[in-house]
Amino acid sequence: QSVLTQPPSVSGTPGQRVTISCSGSSSNIGSNSVKWYQQVPGTAPKLLIYNNNQRPSGVPDRISGSNSGTSASLAISGLQSEDESHYYCEAWDDTLSASVFGSGTEVTVL
Amino acid sequence: QLQLQESGSGLVKPSQTLSLTCAVSGGSFKSGGYSWSWIRQPPGKGLEWIGYIYQSGTTYYSPSLKTRVTMSLEGSKNQLSLTLRSVTAADTAVYFCARVNLEMGRALDTWGQGTMVIVSS
Repeated sequence: QSVLTQPPSVSGTPGQRVTISCSGSSSNIGSNSVKWYQQVPGTAPKLLIYNNNQRPSGVPDRISGSNSGTSASLAISGLQSEDESHYYCEAWDDTLSASVFGSGTEVTVL
Repeated sequence: QLQLQESGSGLVKPSQTLSLTCAVSGGSFKSGGYSWSWIRQPPGKGLEWIGYIYQSGTTYYSPSLKTRVTMSLEGSKNQLSLTLRSVTAADTAVYFCARVNLEMGRALDTWGQGTMVIVSS
């Protein structure tokens, strides 16, 4: 069972906005930065968001991250077929002295 | 452009030791501001963090693996290594190495393609 909880799946139609939640606690999201990764099955994950809401170069601005207390969210605006992937949140946990990943969310474009 | 390439034992017998290396090319292995990490993914499941190793050699390991795992750096070869002892079928997974960007809040900014390890007799 993951320390960070994500919904197993979310879906949307092309052009829609979808959000993925990542629920944690005061020892991880509540006190450390959150990262988000995209993984197409069979390939390596790709960094989308770091420091809660910062995008690495090359990530489009329709991808955004936010935090509120012990939860974080990833939003994808203008949903495209290429966004069909699995998405994972990650944060350092002070109690465990370890990094933890969320359980992962599959995004489907209908 | 930085590239990471995992290699090692693809098939390991139960109770034996899994050994992997990650070759780093196209960038400075010893640059400040970066450390290194191993992550694994069992078939059909999510990502599991294994550990970090800093340039100083300081390591942090997953609590569930710390009694069996060792990570090390080989600066002269520009590579990092992972050893996991006393493996079971539950250790079957794709193993990834990744660069940890300390200025990005320890984000895993570059990943290897991963290598599949199967634990079976």
